Amino acid sequence: SAVISQKPSRDICQRGTSLTIQCQVDSQVTMMFWYRQQPGQSLTLIATANQGSEATYESGFVIDKFPISRPNLTFSTLTVSNMSPEDSSIYLCSAQRGNQPQHFGDGTRLSIL
Amino acid sequence: SQQGEEDPQALSIQEGENATMNCSYKTSINNLQWYRQNSGRGLVHLILIRSNEREKHSGRLRVTLDTSKKSSSLLITASRAADTASYFCATDLGPGNTPLVFGKGTRLSVIA
Repeated sequence: SAVISQKPSRDICQRGTSLTIQCQVDSQVTMMFWYRQQPGQSLTLIATANQGSEATYESGFVIDKFPISRPNLTFSTLTVSNMSPEDSSIYLCSAQRGNQPQHFGDGTRLSIL
Repeated sequence: SQQGEEDPQALSIQEGENATMNCSYKTSINNLQWYRQNSGRGLVHLILIRSNEREKHSGRLRVTLDTSKKSSSLLITASRAADTASYFCATDLGPGNTPLVFGKGTRLSVIA
């Protein structure tokens, strides 16, 4: 199974600033996804990171707020822009190869003051 | 929106007992997966069961799938304190590589 490294593991940020989260997979994967998990809640899909093209966003999430890059088949970034306390969550990336299960990184715990 | 609903939301058992968690979903699926999440950490994949399968085993884990009732169950036998975690079911609406839709999760506490 793919090994996924996500960083930073946690951060405390000031409101109005932006943070970029990196997700590195140890081998080429077909699909990469970004999820958000608000405190005490389940996971909600933010977007599918498409290699070489714009990400596909879910309803309620927009590119200006959550720009995503995927320059190759092993790496993706998610930026949380102009942060507010409501953005305090765990952000998780996942990767999937072919018809295999989807695997997750350890997540980034983000707190905004 | 959530596809799956786990039941119960929280479960507390003694070490050595079995734990059963249920998941119901709304639409047709390609496969269903169960994940574990220890507090504040990432998700660990437990089992994937495809829509044409009815039961799968992995160590102390047993998963069933009833597509006619749109439901699945996860059984953990002979539970241990280390099994304390949140458990989520997630559906893959497929075919192809599609994002997962997660249920709300069951918080399991195993008391030593």
